[in-house]
Amino acid sequence: DTGVSQNPRHKITKRGQNVTFRCDPISEHNRLYWYRQTLGQGPEFLTYFQNEAQLEKSRLLSDRFSAERPKGSFSTLEIQRTEQGDSAMYLCASSSNAEEQYFGPGTRLTVT
Amino acid sequence: AQSVAQPEDQVNVAEGNPLTVKCTYSVSGNPYLFWYVQYPNRGLQFLLKYITGDNLVKGSYGFEAEFNKSQTSFHLKKPSALVSDSALYFCAVRDIYGNNRLAFGKGNQVVVIP
Repeated sequence: DTGVSQNPRHKITKRGQNVTFRCDPISEHNRLYWYRQTLGQGPEFLTYFQNEAQLEKSRLLSDRFSAERPKGSFSTLEIQRTEQGDSAMYLCASSSNAEEQYFGPGTRLTVT
Repeated sequence: AQSVAQPEDQVNVAEGNPLTVKCTYSVSGNPYLFWYVQYPNRGLQFLLKYITGDNLVKGSYGFEAEFNKSQTSFHLKKPSALVSDSALYFCAVRDIYGNNRLAFGKGNQVVVIP
């Protein structure tokens, strides 16, 4: 399968714990994006990488959130001191240009 | 800032009838417009895009969309709906000035009735 992959698919954690998600983009894509989707809403942009450089961050990305793409390939999104409001689907997408983005299946986070 | 409105929460259509899902947008300058479909427990799948050129664009699975600049709309259409088209449809927009984020609408649930 040459699509975008995300791990884990589901994560249940207790409030206050740290979690980390991984995204592997389509191999030739140099652009990588993170979005968050809550029930009944469309995805909301979190951050964008071109190669290893993080070029854009949303105001939704609080200090508890950090994303990396150290070698310009896979990316990780870490949430520290999780809160119940962080419960959502976290989507990763990649693209080779500034046009269509291809999405992974998402990581569903539940904070109890 | 760019934004998208999808005014209907749910669209019900009989199998074989035409399907239309409405989308209006707001963006600085000329838009890049997209439609995505989401099936349960799966990620978003790209359907089609408008970047420039013909106002009528054709995409996957028999879908098409018409860009109307004066009405700032980009409605998704399919001439004959299938039961398998039942899913959640999202319209998205980005501007052309180097802002790479997509702004999505809240989505429309399409239910095709056999």
